[in-house]
Amino acid sequence: EAEVAQSPRYKITEKSQAVAFWCDPISGHATLYWYRQILGQGPELLVQFQDESVVDDSQLPKDRFSAERLKGVDSTLKIQPAELGDSAMYLCASRNFLGSYTEQFFGPGTRLTVL
Amino acid sequence: QKEVEQNSGPLSVPEGAIASLNCTYSDRVSQSFFWYRQYSGKSPELIMSIYSNGDKEDGRFTAQLNKASQYVSLLIRDSQPSDSATYLCAVMVAGNQFYFGTGTSLTVIP
Repeated sequence: EAEVAQSPRYKITEKSQAVAFWCDPISGHATLYWYRQILGQGPELLVQFQDESVVDDSQLPKDRFSAERLKGVDSTLKIQPAELGDSAMYLCASRNFLGSYTEQFFGPGTRLTVL
Repeated sequence: QKEVEQNSGPLSVPEGAIASLNCTYSDRVSQSFFWYRQYSGKSPELIMSIYSNGDKEDGRFTAQLNKASQYVSLLIRDSQPSDSATYLCAVMVAGNQFYFGTGTSLTVIP
């Protein structure tokens, strides 16, 4: 069964350091999402890609976060510099863009701890 | 603001009982609704999707949608201890963005 891949699964870093997360969506899925999930809350959208283009990054803290999907396949989310409040689960999801009636599937996530 | 509201619980039911999870949403033009299950420390797993008013059944799970009331629910029949998890309600809005509730924590007591 096709799955969304993410790495690393866990990341511990010190504040002010740079971190990067990688996501490989399900093959053929044109839409890719990055979410942040703080413990006890639901996932919050950070950025949405359609192929290589950013569709929505209104909730992405652009002073420290960046995201790219250069060839419209895999994607990287970067934080520089990391802050204590960035500790969370970072989730990647993909969706087959065929109109309204398709589901979104999540990868295993990256658990980030900022010390 | 696209809001999705869930009762955070915790909800406890005995094994074999029916668990009922509820969700309301604010965006009247939303067309697609989803329930995800999330075990502690894991990522969300899609359980059900529903797009039209009424009931949709899949095994022990039934999703119910009432667009006029902006209400979607999930029923879990014959609840099992393995159903103990947090259940997230998600709504897809115009632009294909997904908004999630905070989740309802369910515990099934053996």
